[in-house]
Amino acid sequence: QLQLQESGPGLVKPSETLSLTCAVSDDSISTSNYYWGWIRQPPGKGLEWIGNIYYSGTTYYNPSLKSRVTISVDTSKNQFFLKMRSVTAADTAVYYCASSYTGSYDVDYWGQGTLVTVSS
Amino acid sequence: EIVLTQSPGTLSLSRGDRATLSCRASQRIGSNFLAWYQQKPGQAPTLLIYAASARATGVPDRFRGSGSGTDFTLTINRLEPEDFAVYYCQQYDNSLYTFGQGTKLEIK
Repeated sequence: QLQLQESGPGLVKPSETLSLTCAVSDDSISTSNYYWGWIRQPPGKGLEWIGNIYYSGTTYYNPSLKSRVTISVDTSKNQFFLKMRSVTAADTAVYYCASSYTGSYDVDYWGQGTLVTVSS
Repeated sequence: EIVLTQSPGTLSLSRGDRATLSCRASQRIGSNFLAWYQQKPGQAPTLLIYAASARATGVPDRFRGSGSGTDFTLTINRLEPEDFAVYYCQQYDNSLYTFGQGTKLEIK
């Protein structure tokens, strides 16, 4: 079964860019069966979908974050990426990478999550 | 954008009780693209129900999803200690995903 693992800095300064990587194992990221995406959860709060990418590079973003977010994929490395620009303290959250089956659009595999704190 | 409203915010029940969690959508959800997740403290969510009523692999049959259109329900029969957690619903529409705000199921 799919395994996903996030990596990246745990601390980002305000106004800078948050960058995370998700490594996918036990399946190819080039499969047509899944979207690859990011979901975040501020401490003590609920889940917020950030966006998805298909292996072809087609992207879909949460309208509330679209202006600051880019999701990309590197099929040769079996990885996908999140960049979020101009971060503030409100972007402090656990960031999960996840896969979403294209047949039912549920999130069936999740990474363990990585806490990113925005602070000077 | 479809907004999902979950109720109640917190549900206090005892082991062996039945839990009924509600998820109401601001617009009809097409093709019943509605899922339920369980999240325990310090862990990533796990998929319980997809397509409104299909149990994910390995999910006990005491978990049941139902509903269509704008009103969906997660029922948990004969609550076990490991069922006390936070539950989220999630929908897909027009290439966008949204989550409900969650229901916390706590031990009474």
